[in-house]
Amino acid sequence: DTGVSQDPRHKITKRGQNVTFRCDPISEHNRLYWYRQTLGQGPEFLTYFQNEAQLEKSRLLSDRFSAERPKGSFSTLEIQRTEQGDSAMYLCASSSYDTQYFGPGTRLTVL
Amino acid sequence: QKEVEQNSGPLSVPEGAIASLNCTYSDRVSQSFFWYRQYSGKSPELIMSIYSNGDKEDGRFTAQLNKASQYVSLLIRDSQPSDSATYLCAVIIGDFNKFYFGSGTKLNVKP
Repeated sequence: DTGVSQDPRHKITKRGQNVTFRCDPISEHNRLYWYRQTLGQGPEFLTYFQNEAQLEKSRLLSDRFSAERPKGSFSTLEIQRTEQGDSAMYLCASSSYDTQYFGPGTRLTVL
Repeated sequence: QKEVEQNSGPLSVPEGAIASLNCTYSDRVSQSFFWYRQYSGKSPELIMSIYSNGDKEDGRFTAQLNKASQYVSLLIRDSQPSDSATYLCAVIIGDFNKFYFGSGTKLNVKP
């Protein structure tokens, strides 16, 4: 399967803990996006990478959130000091032009 | 006003009928429009994209775009129970091919 992959698929953590998610994009895609989706809402943009450069971050991405794409391949999204409001599906998408293809998502539950 | 608006539904249609899903967007300069299907608990999967005014057909799906009215729609012909899902409209606004999503319309196709 050469689609976008994400790991883990599910994460349950206690409030205050740090979590890290990984996204592996489609290999030839140079653009990578992170979104967050809560129940009943569409995905909301968090951040965007072109190759290894992080070109845009949403104001939704507080100081507790950080994302990297060190070699322009896989990306990680870290949430520090998790809060119950961080519970959501975190989606990664990749593209080579404008059409974005989504990974299966990581569902985060903060207790 | 949100950047992309959709009726949340649910929209219920009988099997074999035509389902019509609508979306309006706020940015007059947007050029790229997408429809995604999302099953409960899954990530969005691309149905089709549309860039020019008029209709674009792909199998049982037809996307319609009217840039003057800032309106995009999706028609599903011969609706099947397997089409029951949430349909997300996505519009690229601004730089970096960042998607803005509507909140989605939930479609129920009744056997």
